[in-house]
Amino acid sequence: DSGVTQTPKHLITATGQRVTLRCSPRSGDLSVYWYQQSLDQGLQFLIQYYNGEERAKGNILERFSAQQFPDLHSELNLSSLELGDSALYFCASSTSGRAVDEQFFGPGTRLTVL
Amino acid sequence: QKEVEQDPGPLSVPEGAIVSLNCTYSNSAFQYFMWYRQYSRKGPELLMYTYSSGNKEDGRFTAQVDKSSKYISLFIRDSQPSDSATYLCAMSANYGQNFVFGPGTRLSVLP
Repeated sequence: DSGVTQTPKHLITATGQRVTLRCSPRSGDLSVYWYQQSLDQGLQFLIQYYNGEERAKGNILERFSAQQFPDLHSELNLSSLELGDSALYFCASSTSGRAVDEQFFGPGTRLTVL
Repeated sequence: QKEVEQDPGPLSVPEGAIVSLNCTYSNSAFQYFMWYRQYSRKGPELLMYTYSSGNKEDGRFTAQVDKSSKYISLFIRDSQPSDSATYLCAMSANYGQNFVFGPGTRLSVLP
């Protein structure tokens, strides 16, 4: 158990809908990362937050947004969902958010868009 | 061409074999290299971390980086069925930059 929690574990929804994925980092970790993992694309970095502020952006679509709250938990919002958004979404956390720091991954949320 | 490439496998080996997993990359600025292991239906977990070129050993695992060839390897000695997982390489150019992950190689160690 990495200490990172993600809810829900599974989510099934329809195209055009909006969903929110939630992540709680390990105790003491200030940085949160979001990743998308699909069979054909592998693990893709979406966005990173550090202590409530956006620090780095990867291949995140404009339909997706995220935030990190004062208690350091983070939410990833996915809107106008398309079939291709079906994937595993992982949250990871690290102590300071530097590249040299180990990232601890949560168990993931499996999103299915029908 | 993808920035980081890995043979997706699956790679099947008998228990006790030496396993070699590899990644090639195109960005010569990469200098932080990590190997993650991901069991089915779980999140990735860090196995090895190396900076710049050279070798690093940790138990049955050895990570090698050859920056001149833009090639990194992970060797697993005395492989066990519990090593069956997907192995992801990841790399970053600088201190604060996000990591780029390879697509992963699925390994199956047969008892």
